[in-house]
Amino acid sequence: DAGVIQSPRHEVTEMGQEVTLRCKPISGHNSLFWYRQTMMRGLELLIYFNNNVPIDDSGMPEDRFSAKMPNASFSTLKIQPSEPRDSAVYFCASSGGILDEKLFFGSGTQLSVL
Amino acid sequence: KNEVEQSPQNLTAQEGEFITINCSYSVGISALHWLQQHPGGGIVSLFMLSSGKKKHGRLIATINIQEKHSSLHITASHPRDSAVYICAAPPPQGAQKLVFGQGTRLTINP
Repeated sequence: DAGVIQSPRHEVTEMGQEVTLRCKPISGHNSLFWYRQTMMRGLELLIYFNNNVPIDDSGMPEDRFSAKMPNASFSTLKIQPSEPRDSAVYFCASSGGILDEKLFFGSGTQLSVL
Repeated sequence: KNEVEQSPQNLTAQEGEFITINCSYSVGISALHWLQQHPGGGIVSLFMLSSGKKKHGRLIATINIQEKHSSLHITASHPRDSAVYICAAPPPQGAQKLVFGQGTRLTINP
């Protein structure tokens, strides 16, 4: 298995632009997580899905952030409009679900908003 | 919310030394995770444990549920073990909603 696949690896954009991050979880995993990592706050959970359904989005910082999981093999995290304080590394992770919680992380997307 | 504290924040040691990283959490949990983040940024899950001890190669993780404390040990440390080690614990009501410690940056010198 190729593991969790994220794209792009790096994204540089200007303030106000829309940013879309993509994630393909491991096949067969039914839980998907979006995390954000910054120097100041470390790793933080933004949102997670079980069986494509958003379960908890309380970590999403603002209405500018939205996430979707239209099917079991694809999820997006969108920021619109982006701001410089959104600059961070965004990780996607998947797991087998509540009964198999070991996490498998993607390589992350380094986002820089200028 | 579960508060997760790690110590030390930074640790430098010589190759071959026995390493211990500690993690304490404030609320009873079902399982605790140990993660390793490489200098390149990638994150790997090392252990998920709910009781006792788990071993994988030179890495050993222990947990004491009553004392709300877990340790990660590395035997015969090697420069390739240099990484940030992060523990994570869920709140009681949400097993999947992990709260992360601030990480321990480990540097093993040859």
